Amino acid sequence: SQTIHQWPATLVQPVGSPLSLECTVEGTSNPNLYWYRQAAGRGLQLLFYSVGIGQISSEVPQNLSASRPQDRQFILSSKKLLLSDSGFYLCAWTSGGYEQYFGPGTRLTVT
Amino acid sequence: KNQVEQSPQSLIILEGKNCTLQCNYTVSPFSNLRWYKQDTGRGPVSLTIMTFSENTKSNGRYTATLDADTKQSSLHITASQLSDSASYICVVSVFVAGNMLTFGGGTRLMVKP
Repeated sequence: SQTIHQWPATLVQPVGSPLSLECTVEGTSNPNLYWYRQAAGRGLQLLFYSVGIGQISSEVPQNLSASRPQDRQFILSSKKLLLSDSGFYLCAWTSGGYEQYFGPGTRLTVT
Repeated sequence: KNQVEQSPQSLIILEGKNCTLQCNYTVSPFSNLRWYKQDTGRGPVSLTIMTFSENTKSNGRYTATLDADTKQSSLHITASQLSDSASYICVVSVFVAGNMLTFGGGTRLMVKP
């Protein structure tokens, strides 16, 4: 069966520090991968999506970047965090069908 | 602009009661509509997915309806339980490569004993 992992589960980082969030998927190959951010009490906002290794599309210009070094690995990064980067970050995958599966999320607090 | 609007924003009901959540969308070209349940601090979990040709789909005590003409959907929860307390998110998929989703803001449901 397919499984999606995200880590860390929670993170507290100071403003100006770097960020690296990792997402991995098991049990499928060549998935579409997505990074979303959910601000407190708000809906999910698509940040990046990838349809293959090295292929990244950005939906919202911002302080973040994404990379896909391997087929089932998706990384969200920042060189210098801003206070506004705080939120709940969700990774998701889909593999050709309608269903999109979400990971457990990472709670990021920038102080 | 693709948009998904949900109502109400929040709802409190007593355990055992029924409730209906609403979703209106202006998404084109429409592919499918999903309802997700999101517990606090967790990732969303899919409840139902409906394509253009489907107008109702059930998953246990959850029943979703879709009116593609009026671009409206509802999620009906029967005999609510305390564990139903969560945010319910309506999501519409655009019929383009990459399976792009437009998310509603969610309805926060609280079931009280």
